Amino acid sequence: DTEVTQTPKHLVMGMTNKKSLKCEQHMGHRAMYWYKQKAKKPPELMFVYSYEKLSINESVPSRFSPECPNSSLLNLHLHALQPEDSALYLCASSPTGNEQFFGPGTRLTVL
Amino acid sequence: EDQVTQSPEALRLQEGESSSLNCSYTVSGLRGLFWYRQDPGKGPEFLFTLYSAGEEKEKERLKATLTKKESFLHITAPKPEDSATYLCAVHSYSGGGADGLTFGKGTHLIIQP
Repeated sequence: DTEVTQTPKHLVMGMTNKKSLKCEQHMGHRAMYWYKQKAKKPPELMFVYSYEKLSINESVPSRFSPECPNSSLLNLHLHALQPEDSALYLCASSPTGNEQFFGPGTRLTVL
Repeated sequence: EDQVTQSPEALRLQEGESSSLNCSYTVSGLRGLFWYRQDPGKGPEFLFTLYSAGEEKEKERLKATLTKKESFLHITAPKPEDSATYLCAVHSYSGGGADGLTFGKGTHLIIQP
């Protein structure tokens, strides 16, 4: 298994909803990442987990809450989001903390 | 602060017309420079890693090169399926460990049949 998977592919939620995004990799990679990408913009780093511990939080609002239950799984819990949070959310993993391999993304729409 | 500038922003070529995309970067210490291909609504697809000036990597119609200040992605005899946004990213030593990539804004490439 040489890929990063993300579920769901698409998510529509209201501003009062609670939802979660899921990311999995079975390549034994030591680092996992969440990025946010708005239309026609490059990906922007949100969180970094290294050896299952949160190592970087790029001043992301608390309505985004990451979780790394084990070395293969990364979650992003969403609560009370705003319409401007609508974006493509990308998960990535890295074997060395250098080159990163991305999943297909979750397209999030906040109404 | 790491900076990555890609040019041109958009490029339209005829099928078979070779060209190059540019990525200029400023980092405190380069751990790696990466090229990705991204199709609309999908995650970036890894293409190449370059570590030091003078290094070159090839894959099918693509060849990536690196100098101390910039990288080029050469596309030889492109086909319509090469149409995509090509992203350049750098990873520097300033972060100290596993940290994020700094991306350029990308070059939107269109290959016309």
